[in-house]
Amino acid sequence: ETGVTQTPRHLVMGMTNKKSLKCEQHLGHNAMYWYKQSAKKPLELMFVYNFKEQTENNSVPSRFSPECPNSSHLFLHLHTLQPEDSALYLCASSQVTGSGYEQYFGPGTRLTVT
Amino acid sequence: DAKTTQPNSMESNEEEPVHLPCNHSTISGTDYIHWYRQLPSQGPEYVIHGLTSNVNNRMASLAIAEDRKSSTLILHRATLRDAAVYYCILRDVQTGANNLFFGTGTRLTVIP
Repeated sequence: ETGVTQTPRHLVMGMTNKKSLKCEQHLGHNAMYWYKQSAKKPLELMFVYNFKEQTENNSVPSRFSPECPNSSHLFLHLHTLQPEDSALYLCASSQVTGSGYEQYFGPGTRLTVT
Repeated sequence: DAKTTQPNSMESNEEEPVHLPCNHSTISGTDYIHWYRQLPSQGPEYVIHGLTSNVNNRMASLAIAEDRKSSTLILHRATLRDAAVYYCILRDVQTGANNLFFGTGTRLTVIP
């Protein structure tokens, strides 16, 4: 248990569906992140939120829409996805300090787009 | 952030020490060296980080070369639970960037 939970753990959706991934952190952190991990590829940072404000969007297609209503919750809204979007989606949180700011990851949501 | 180079894979016998190398020849003076690992079917977990001096914690030790162009993560007694992909990452404190570039890491296999 890292203090970061993600739901659902597994999700299968069609290309015309709309679904949301949820992340919650119980660590009192002020930054939250979405990462994508495709098979045989490194983790890719998708979005960063500092103090509920989005500070980074790494050229992610608009079919992925993040939402951070407060510093403990982070959502990733999905619509009209493509099969190549099938991947493990990981949420992480951290404090933003000078040197450490280690990130704590959730277990991920395994997404399959059919 | 500067990039790192790690071997794709390594093997170790159980209960023996493991030295995982990382090269970062273009490291800047404000880059911290972070190590994470990812166990099978889990998200990555933080292992250790350092700037110039060697560091120890309950999980591992980090040995940093004097010129900082390389570092080594040391697991003192490998267990089967240490089988994972280990990532060496640089983070520039000066830019304040939150982006961690994970790369492909080193897949460690622990042999019973």
